[in-house]
Amino acid sequence: AQSVAQPEDQVNVAEGNPLTVKCTYSVSGNPYLFWYVQYPNRGLQFLLKYITGDNLVKGSYGFEAEFNKSQTSFHLKKPSALVSDSALYFCAVRDGGTGFQKLVFGTGTRLLVSP
Amino acid sequence: DTEVTQTPKHLVMGMTNKKSLKCEQHMGHRAMYWYKQKAKKPPELMFVYSYEKLSINESVPSRFSPECPNSSLLNLHLHALQPEDSALYLCASSQEQTTNYGYTFGSGTRLTVV
Repeated sequence: AQSVAQPEDQVNVAEGNPLTVKCTYSVSGNPYLFWYVQYPNRGLQFLLKYITGDNLVKGSYGFEAEFNKSQTSFHLKKPSALVSDSALYFCAVRDGGTGFQKLVFGTGTRLLVSP
Repeated sequence: DTEVTQTPKHLVMGMTNKKSLKCEQHMGHRAMYWYKQKAKKPPELMFVYSYEKLSINESVPSRFSPECPNSSLLNLHLHALQPEDSALYLCASSQEQTTNYGYTFGSGTRLTVV
């Protein structure tokens, strides 16, 4: 089965500083990787995905992610953090064979951006 | 319309009650999903419907009963729940089950079982 791991429960960063939220993956074959964000008492919002192509993926709200095959990582990044970026971030991978696929989520990382 | 709409937003039910959660999308998506999320935990898949047929049941207890009346609607019928079933229930949809585009999630129903 495919899986992703998020090693940090929480990341703290000051507003204006760059942020990184880490994700590593374990897959057989080509990985299909996603990042989602969840604000309190809300559903998940799609940020970006990696299917194939450029290793640097750009997404919503100024976020980007770097796919690194040798390190099996897919870290989420933003050059300048905003207080409003404070939320719960989930990395996800597509798992399953043809016709029975599903998204499997990591344990989540809480991002706290201080003013 | 690019949203998944879930109703109700909040639900409190007793252990002997029968209730239903509703999910609706009008994006033409043919796959729909129910996820359960406990506080500070990742969403856990419960059921997948593809073209209105049940595709995946992740060994969910029978007190949860999904239903897909048509391609736009997904229901989750609840009966004889336990307090540990209290959670945020999320509905999602995607173009196909074998999608490269990720899922669109609703805002969820916050369920409390008393």
